[in-house]
Amino acid sequence: GAGVSQSPRYKVAKRGQDVALRCDPISGHVSLFWYQQALGQGPEFLTYFQNEAQLDKSGLPSDRFFAERPEGSVSTLKIQRTQQEDSAVYLCASSIRTGTTEAFFGQGTRLTVV
Amino acid sequence: GENVEQHPSTLSVQEGDSAVIKCTYSDSASDYFPWYKQELGKRPQLIIDIRSNVGEKKDQRIAVTLNKTAKHFSLHITETQPEDSAVYFCAASKNNNDMRFGAGTRLTVKP
Repeated sequence: GAGVSQSPRYKVAKRGQDVALRCDPISGHVSLFWYQQALGQGPEFLTYFQNEAQLDKSGLPSDRFFAERPEGSVSTLKIQRTQQEDSAVYLCASSIRTGTTEAFFGQGTRLTVV
Repeated sequence: GENVEQHPSTLSVQEGDSAVIKCTYSDSASDYFPWYKQELGKRPQLIIDIRSNVGEKKDQRIAVTLNKTAKHFSLHITETQPEDSAVYFCAASKNNNDMRFGAGTRLTVKP
């Protein structure tokens, strides 16, 4: 596709359930970012990949959050034992490493933990 | 790590007036400063960006200024229109790593 694609668009999880959120970046984009956006707030950095290497995971709020990008393309953000405070929109963005540094965002996955 | 602060959190202007949003950053090594516009329920989209070797950049009604010494940068929108109403986010990053965002400014342009 032409843009960053995220799935699912909406996810309702029961407290304690594990969830997996998928991000398909723009083809050829080296950098991939995950952000958490609470209602009315700015995107909060979670983690960053350059190809398959996770270079920064300092924003992950707890060890229940795990992200991977095994082949340097598709990325998955996994949240274990979800809690109500995990409810937010999870945004993925990608950018091409050389030339421009513009980051293109996906539509996000709205996670609601009940 | 980088910390970005953005002001004001809400801004209401009359159509045709100018709007200014200001951001400060903490990491002097940051070298790329984009501004994103996010309409309700939609993804953030880049509207303008500036790199650290430039002090000002303009694109039609939108301009961004950067003061590296003071570590602040601003977004200026002139001749505002109702369709400019949205949430605007500033961000700062270095070498395209760890892009950190401000908390956002909700701009309302009243017709």
